[in-house]
Amino acid sequence: SQQGEEDPQALSIQEGENATMNCSYKTSINNLQWYRQNSGRGLVHLILIRSNEREKHSGRLRVTLDTSKKSSSLLITASRAADTASYFCATDRSWGKLQFGAGTQVVVTP
Amino acid sequence: NAGVTQTPKFQVLKTGQSMTLQCAQDMNHEYMSWYRQDPGMGLRLIHYSVGAGITDQGEVPNGYNVSRSTTEDFPLRLLSAAPSQTSVYFCASSRQDSNQPQHFGDGTRLSIL
Repeated sequence: SQQGEEDPQALSIQEGENATMNCSYKTSINNLQWYRQNSGRGLVHLILIRSNEREKHSGRLRVTLDTSKKSSSLLITASRAADTASYFCATDRSWGKLQFGAGTQVVVTP
Repeated sequence: NAGVTQTPKFQVLKTGQSMTLQCAQDMNHEYMSWYRQDPGMGLRLIHYSVGAGITDQGEVPNGYNVSRSTTEDFPLRLLSAAPSQTSVYFCASSRQDSNQPQHFGDGTRLSIL
């Protein structure tokens, strides 16, 4: 069963716009992680947010976590064509055994 | 550093054949794991290992075997391939601490006819 559910399933934006995607999960977690996957490649780790953290930033990425609502969001600011990829949230309940959502496909057009 | 290396990148098998997917990491990570990725779904955990000689089942272990004789290598074996095992397989590794990101290989695309 999937622990994380991303919303929306697909997102199409223009360069310079912001992209926001959401993740909901069902049970308590140690941390929540966001990954990016370019077509035909493996997953690349973006940000890890611990269960006792509420917000985290990394460059143009901003992640929030609301454990009371069991939800997280990933914001990509000033998007670029190179941000075109699938984005996955993954919850870590126990020592690295991740449960992934189905992902959000983001297309950024020049 | 090469990171996590998976071989082969592509493979086509016939039903009933066996094969081993190779995974090696050069980061001295204790934790290694195998996931499969199917269309429209997130990755699902097959097996994982917290160190040499220690393995355990994940969410979807049936039809797969693993062993961990060294820290670097974590092969995944399909004993008798079935069409339902057509998928993209990813190996990942990390330090064995809580709150560690996973490092993924580029995957093996496996088709079973």
